[in-house]
Amino acid sequence: GNSVTQMEGPVTLSEEAFLTINCTYTATGYPSLFWYVQYPGEGLQLLLKATKADDKGSNKGFEATYRKETTSFHLEKGSVQVSDSAVYFCALSVGGGGTSYGKLTFGQGTILTVHP
Amino acid sequence: GAGVSQSPSNKVTEKGKDVELRCDPISGHTALYWYRQSLGQGLEFLIYFQGNSAPDKSGLPSDRFSAERTGGSVSTLTIQRTQQEDSAVYLCASRKRGAGGSGNTIYFGEGSWLTVV
Repeated sequence: GNSVTQMEGPVTLSEEAFLTINCTYTATGYPSLFWYVQYPGEGLQLLLKATKADDKGSNKGFEATYRKETTSFHLEKGSVQVSDSAVYFCALSVGGGGTSYGKLTFGQGTILTVHP
Repeated sequence: GAGVSQSPSNKVTEKGKDVELRCDPISGHTALYWYRQSLGQGLEFLIYFQGNSAPDKSGLPSDRFSAERTGGSVSTLTIQRTQQEDSAVYLCASRKRGAGGSGNTIYFGEGSWLTVV
């Protein structure tokens, strides 16, 4: 089956620190990989995605590279801001004619708090 | 509409009552998903619709849970005889197409927060 494992949180950083949130996956088939973010009081929003090996997704200063050899999709940001405080979810989707129907399988989520 | 719309945003109900949660997906999106987000359980898949049919109901936790979709658009998730463990945020999501093209983005609504007392 499909599964996603994220580093356990919560993660607390000072503003301008470097962020890494680890994510590894197992999947039947060739997955697309996603990072979703949930800001306080808001719904899930797509942060970035990558659909094939070695692709790099990027948005709002965040980056993640699809590493097939290590089955990983770690999220990084060089300098975090207080406004980045949120819950981050790594997820995968396997489409095609199988039974997955492109549905998302999520990791447990990582709470990030950034202090001024 | 511009985004996935869910109602109610908050619902408090007594144990044993039935509840209905509504989802209005993005116009033109044929695939619709329901997820549940609860403390300690993360985000759990409940059911998937392609058009009006539901080829994957594998995540529905019990026969008290059901969902339907009409006109290829609005979906309703119904929980009968609610229990306290049903308390969670129920998220609806939609995607432009179903099988094939796993890279198509899934867009989420803001959720319906259900509290069973």
